Amino acid sequence: GDSVTQMEGPVTLSEEACLTINCTYTATGYPSLFWYVQYPGEGLQLLLKATKADDKGSNKGFEATYRKETTSFHLEKGSVQVSDSAVYFCALRSGGYQKVTFGTGTKLQVIP
Amino acid sequence: EAGVAQSPRYKIIEKRQSVAFWCNPISGHATLYWYQQILGQGPKLLIQFQNNGVVDDSQLPKDRFSAERLKGVDSTLKIQPAKLEDSAVYLCASSSLKGATNTEAFFGQGTRLTVV
Repeated sequence: GDSVTQMEGPVTLSEEACLTINCTYTATGYPSLFWYVQYPGEGLQLLLKATKADDKGSNKGFEATYRKETTSFHLEKGSVQVSDSAVYFCALRSGGYQKVTFGTGTKLQVIP
Repeated sequence: EAGVAQSPRYKIIEKRQSVAFWCNPISGHATLYWYQQILGQGPKLLIQFQNNGVVDDSQLPKDRFSAERLKGVDSTLKIQPAKLEDSAVYLCASSSLKGATNTEAFFGQGTRLTVV
């Protein structure tokens, strides 16, 4: 079945450092790919998405590129802020009824 | 636009008791999902409705969990009887259909269930 594998956390960075959170997937067909973010005490929010190969999703300074050849969708940000501290989930949507499958999440902590 | 509403926000019950969660999706969204998120893990899909029909319940423990979506709008998820391992956050999400494609899912804040 479909699956998403994310790098384990927690990831601790200093403010203004570069961020990469790795995500790879296994799916039949051509899934859509997503990054969701969960801030402390809040629900899941869509951060960015890409629906076909080579698409780049971007939002709030975060970017991720749909790489079909490596089945990856790594999340990147050039300069993180304390307010980016949250748990980040990689997800894919595929199949006839477009089931959404999540990774296990990566906790990011940014320290001043 | 109002978001996905869930209630209650928190619930503590003893094992073997029953509990029900309620979800009101975004108006007009045809697809409704219930996820279980155990602490430290990613959300796991329990059941997916399209309008008022079930399209995926392969990971729903049907001996104790049940869900319904009356009139294709609100939904309830029930656990009876609860076990300790059911302690988790139960997330409801909804998405709209554009043709045959679902848009991204919007999530409620979840119900945190503690079984003691």
